[in-house]
Amino acid sequence: DAGVIQSPRHEVTEMGQEVTLRCKPISGHNSLFWYRQTMMRGLELLIYFNNNVPIDDSGMPEDRFSAKMPNASFSTLKIQPSEPRDSAVYFCASSFGGDQLGNTIYFGEGSWLTVV
Amino acid sequence: AQSVAQPEDQVNVAEGNPLTVKCTYSVSGNPYLFWYVQYPNRGLQFLLKYITGDNLVKGSYGFEAEFNKSQTSFHLKKPSALVSDSALYFCAVRDLGGTASKLTFGTGTRLQVTL
Repeated sequence: DAGVIQSPRHEVTEMGQEVTLRCKPISGHNSLFWYRQTMMRGLELLIYFNNNVPIDDSGMPEDRFSAKMPNASFSTLKIQPSEPRDSAVYFCASSFGGDQLGNTIYFGEGSWLTVV
Repeated sequence: AQSVAQPEDQVNVAEGNPLTVKCTYSVSGNPYLFWYVQYPNRGLQFLLKYITGDNLVKGSYGFEAEFNKSQTSFHLKKPSALVSDSALYFCAVRDLGGTASKLTFGTGTRLQVTL
């Protein structure tokens, strides 16, 4: 299995620009998560989808952030406009079984975002 | 609300010696506990998990973890450390409280194994 695939792996953009991060979950998985990792705040859950429906977006920092999952094999996280404080590693993760808590969540390699 | 604590920012071990990375948890229901490892510039890799049953869980790369309900702990262990084990280790928990499906992570412990 190819695992969770994220793109781009690295992105450097100027403040004010739109950033779109992409994720392909593991085939057959019906839960998808976006996490953000920073030195200051560690790993934070931004949003969680189950069967393509957003279940919990309470971690989305503000209106500049939006996430979509148009189908079971693709999700995007968009930041518009981007700010330097958005610089972080953004991880996409997937699992099977929604609220089956014992199911393992598998992470992608991350998208390293730098906003200058 | 669920939470995990990793009391040590860094653990230093000599190669060949046993290692322990500590984790304690707080949940409102039955805990589902996980360990992940992150190598430099990489994503998180799943190591092992506790759902139910035997308190000693074996995982990848020779790691194991011991679940202790009375001490609310889930420490990661390895009998003989390797230099290649040097990485950042995260403990995580899921339970039925609140938004059930999210995985809440600890702050991470950096393991440094030296020759």
